[in-house]
Amino acid sequence: DTAVSQTPKYLVTQMGNDKSIKCEQNLGHDTMYWYKQDSKKFLKIMFSYNNKELIINETVPNRFSPKSPDKAHLNLHINSLELGDSAVYFCASSQDGGAYTEAFFGQGTRLTVV
Amino acid sequence: GQQVMQIPQYQHVQEGEDFTTYCNSSTTLSNIQWYKQRPGGHPVFLIQLVKSGEVKKQKRLTFQFGEAKKNSSLHITATQTTDVGTYFCAGPTNNNDMRFGAGTRLTVKP
Repeated sequence: DTAVSQTPKYLVTQMGNDKSIKCEQNLGHDTMYWYKQDSKKFLKIMFSYNNKELIINETVPNRFSPKSPDKAHLNLHINSLELGDSAVYFCASSQDGGAYTEAFFGQGTRLTVV
Repeated sequence: GQQVMQIPQYQHVQEGEDFTTYCNSSTTLSNIQWYKQRPGGHPVFLIQLVKSGEVKKQKRLTFQFGEAKKNSSLHITATQTTDVGTYFCAGPTNNNDMRFGAGTRLTVKP
């Protein structure tokens, strides 16, 4: 079984559309994250959720909103997509969200905005 | 915010040569983690260093944490084509999450 799974793997959409990326983890972890990786491979943390509470909200546009229906899921909703949103988005989870715990990443969702 | 600086950005080696990537911080780190991302893949945790001057080995990979806990390195001896990928270091922030370095992309020529 995949520990952290996200769907879809690829997403091509037009500017202005609204889209969602789903993420689920079966590790029983308390904390989940969303990262954005641009074309230069730089990994930037976007959000972190611990027990359904947002504990980190980086300076990302408010068009991006994380939604966590339960501890095992953290979905990413994006409104009014822009060209600059094209990137690979990774979901990840860790045991307790502390800096001493390793993060487990999903396979990534490659978003292309045209 | 706090950042860990990682160099070099790219490294191209001949198979069999050694490879090293460096991670530096202006502040003392409580710990540092290393991840590997294969082309087209996702980051995978390799190791965590916590103690000052710590050295850990995984087969041909050697990880070091500086005495001042402000820098770290990953050294690969006798690279193989399977070592290809991007290597990231990650250090903690005041928010108690991990912030990733820019990564070093390693290519290996057979």
